[in-house]
Amino acid sequence: AQSVTQLGSHVSVSEGALVLLRCNYSSSVPPYLFWYVQYPNQGLQLLLKYTSAATLVKGINGFEAEFKKSETSFHLTKPSAHMRDAAEYFCAVDAGGTSYGKLTFGQGTILTVHP
Amino acid sequence: EPEVTQTPSHQVTQMGQEVILRCVPISNHLYFYWYRQILGQKVEFLVSFYNNEISEKSEIFDDQFSVERPDGSNFTLKIRSTKLEDSAMYFCASKGTSSGANVLTFGAGSRLTVL
Repeated sequence: AQSVTQLGSHVSVSEGALVLLRCNYSSSVPPYLFWYVQYPNQGLQLLLKYTSAATLVKGINGFEAEFKKSETSFHLTKPSAHMRDAAEYFCAVDAGGTSYGKLTFGQGTILTVHP
Repeated sequence: EPEVTQTPSHQVTQMGQEVILRCVPISNHLYFYWYRQILGQKVEFLVSFYNNEISEKSEIFDDQFSVERPDGSNFTLKIRSTKLEDSAMYFCASKGTSSGANVLTFGAGSRLTVL
């Protein structure tokens, strides 16, 4: 079985500051991991994915995440926050195998960016 | 960019009524999913659908729920005899089969409010 824990339901940063959103996972198989972003009144948009290739994954809008198997983590970072990054971010793990597409989500982290 | 379209964006219904939520997946995708998010809770998997049948369903997806692909473009979720606890945002998603296609594209969601 898979599970995802996102540490911190709310994160607040200043514009230009480092963004760090934490995600730890549990998976019985080598995981496929994802970060999705949800802007107000919109759907879940894929930011980036880890599929067992490079451990440092670059996504859209300047975000990146590093897969660390020893720490079972997949934290999301961005060097410099922008006001438009304010949204809710979800980490998810794919069950894999015959259950590809069955995602288990974390509870989400709301990112607030203030001037 | 191709997108998943969901209708209605918001539906209010009385307890005990039947509701049909509609989705138009990306045209060349073959895997379809429904997820839901109760306010303040995690996004959770409901059901996956492939080749005109359910591939997998969660324990939430009981006899009250059904899915159908009535034609070549729509994918519907029917909720019979709605209950207060069915109030949630329902997300449709689809996935292709080409290389690198282990990514779900989500719609903007349909918010269901049961009174």
